[in-house]
Amino acid sequence: DTEVTQTPKHLVMGMTNKKSLKCEQHMGHRAMYWYKQKAKKPPELMFVYSYEKLSINESVPSRFSPECPNSSLLNLHLHALQPEDSALYLCASSQAGFTGELFFGEGSRLTVL
Amino acid sequence: GENVEQHPSTLSVQEGDSAVIKCTYSDSASNYFPWYKQELGKGPQLIIDIRSNVGEKKDQRIAVTLNKTAKHFSLHITETQPEDSAVYFCAASIYTDMRFGAGTRLTVKP
Repeated sequence: DTEVTQTPKHLVMGMTNKKSLKCEQHMGHRAMYWYKQKAKKPPELMFVYSYEKLSINESVPSRFSPECPNSSLLNLHLHALQPEDSALYLCASSQAGFTGELFFGEGSRLTVL
Repeated sequence: GENVEQHPSTLSVQEGDSAVIKCTYSDSASNYFPWYKQELGKGPQLIIDIRSNVGEKKDQRIAVTLNKTAKHFSLHITETQPEDSAVYFCAASIYTDMRFGAGTRLTVKP
């Protein structure tokens, strides 16, 4: 199984809502990532978890709150977002302690009204 | 932090021609250089990668070259086909810190 599964595929939320994006992988990877991708732009690194601990936080606003409850799951909790936060949110996983391929999910497309 | 520059931003070729995309990176500690292909509505997928101890790697119609001294790496696609049309991203990585270039939109005209 070489899949990274993200849910939901599409999400529309108001600026006062609280929602979560979910990511799951069963490849035994111990590094998991959140990237944000705006239209016609490259993926931008937001957070990295290694062995379920936050190892990289790219000065992302606190309205984005990551969580890694176990080695297979990664969540991104969203609260009080702004319209400019509308983007494709990509989850990825890889082996930890080793520089190698990132396996990406299909992404969750978020629209903030 | 690492800065990756990618050129050109768009590239249009005739089917059967070759395509070349070039990237530069800033951090000499980067040791892994993947290339990803992203089709509309999908996540990026790895097409080829190269490590800092290797100068060139080839996989069928796709090849990547790396010049560590100049901090340049390039993607070469030969005998292009319409299904090669997509956005291609180069990246540079140190452990779990992977940064992407701006992307190249490749169009292969039949």
